[in-house]
Amino acid sequence: ETVLTQSPGTLSLSPGERATLSCRASQSVDSRYFAWYQQRPGQAPRLLISGTSSRATGIPDRFSGSGSGTDFTLTISRLEPEDFAVYYCQQYGNSPWTFGQGTKVEIK
Amino acid sequence: QEQLVESGGGVVQPGGSLRLSCAASGFSFRTYGMHWVRQAPGKGLEWVAVIWADGSTRNYADSLKGRFTISRDNSKNMLYMQMNSLRVEDTAVYYCATDRGAAAFDVWGQGTMVTVSS
Repeated sequence: ETVLTQSPGTLSLSPGERATLSCRASQSVDSRYFAWYQQRPGQAPRLLISGTSSRATGIPDRFSGSGSGTDFTLTISRLEPEDFAVYYCQQYGNSPWTFGQGTKVEIK
Repeated sequence: QEQLVESGGGVVQPGGSLRLSCAASGFSFRTYGMHWVRQAPGKGLEWVAVIWADGSTRNYADSLKGRFTISRDNSKNMLYMQMNSLRVEDTAVYYCATDRGAAAFDVWGQGTMVTVSS
């Protein structure tokens, strides 16, 4: 099983600031099958990024993904009020599909 | 509009059973694999099970130990999860989600809450 470890657990930032979220895998992940999701309170997860760097339909370009092998990053260039939420990374290339434990981006 | 709607959640005693349903609309359901993902209160996402588009292959999280069965009816655009021998630790919101291969889990339902409590 590929364990995904996200850091930091919580990120305290102000609107307009840049957010950098990290996800480290316990073994190499095929970059074609790495994703990021956003979850707001009381809502279902929403796909942001698939294939490490491809934005899903309707996702603004302030969200970007990068990485390879065991280290992946989600960057939010300028935080908007609606971006304060929990973010999960995921590998979906091999069973069992696994998620990171989440990073909460909160308003400072 | 692509949509998934879960139902069937509720309160059940330990050892009991529940059957969750997920109704799909707005896309070619029979073309895609489908997953169940759960989220315990205040916790992160946990993958539960997958079924291939034609139903030929199913995989489960090891933690389920054979208690859950995923199935689908492509003629009705429906996904199911039969949950038996439920435990307190199965308490969670259960989501269904599409699997479009390289496109990851791009459509999610709103979730259905399962509470296992005596």
